[in-house]
Amino acid sequence: DSGVTQTPKHLITATGQRVTLRCSPRSGDLSVYWYQQSLDQGLQFLIQYYNGEERAKGNILERFSAQQFPDLHSELNLSSLELGDSALYFCASSVGSPSSAGELFFGEGSRLTVL
Amino acid sequence: DQQVKQNSPSLSVQEGRISILNCDYTNSMFDYFLWYKKYPAEGPTFLISISSIKDKNEDGRFTVFLNKSAKHLSLHIVPSQPGDSAVYFCAASGETSGSRLTFGEGTQLTVNP
Repeated sequence: DSGVTQTPKHLITATGQRVTLRCSPRSGDLSVYWYQQSLDQGLQFLIQYYNGEERAKGNILERFSAQQFPDLHSELNLSSLELGDSALYFCASSVGSPSSAGELFFGEGSRLTVL
Repeated sequence: DQQVKQNSPSLSVQEGRISILNCDYTNSMFDYFLWYKKYPAEGPTFLISISSIKDKNEDGRFTVFLNKSAKHLSLHIVPSQPGDSAVYFCAASGETSGSRLTFGEGTQLTVNP
């Protein structure tokens, strides 16, 4: 158990819909990261927050948005869903500052299926 | 632009033998490298890391080698066990990326009893 909690574990929805994925980081971790893993591909970085502020953006679509709340949990919002958005979405957290290298601790992921 | 590449999608070895997983990177600013292991229906878990100031790091059955001039790293597992069967991801970070990691595509390792 990494200590990172993601909900829901599975989600099935239709094209055009909007969903929200939730992540609670490990206790004490200030950084939260979101990654997307499409079928048979590596983890693609989407976005990073540190103590409530956005710190880095990767290949995140404009239809996607995220935020980190004062209690440090984070939500990833996916809207106008398309078939290609079907993927595993991972949240990770780390204790260090955004400039320091170190390991990330991953949740079990949220599997999104868009029909 | 795939900055971290794992060219072997899969690897199959016999129990007790050595498993060697390879990873190449293109970004010369990367200076910290990690290996993660992922079982089905679970998130990736950290395995071992190496800083660019070293060329080898060992932890039990796992050793990571870094060849900076070739921009290549490898993970050696000796001896391999059936429980090691998983997808292994190579990841990297550097001064410009800070704490966020850039991942390779992963290699599915199967250790046969």
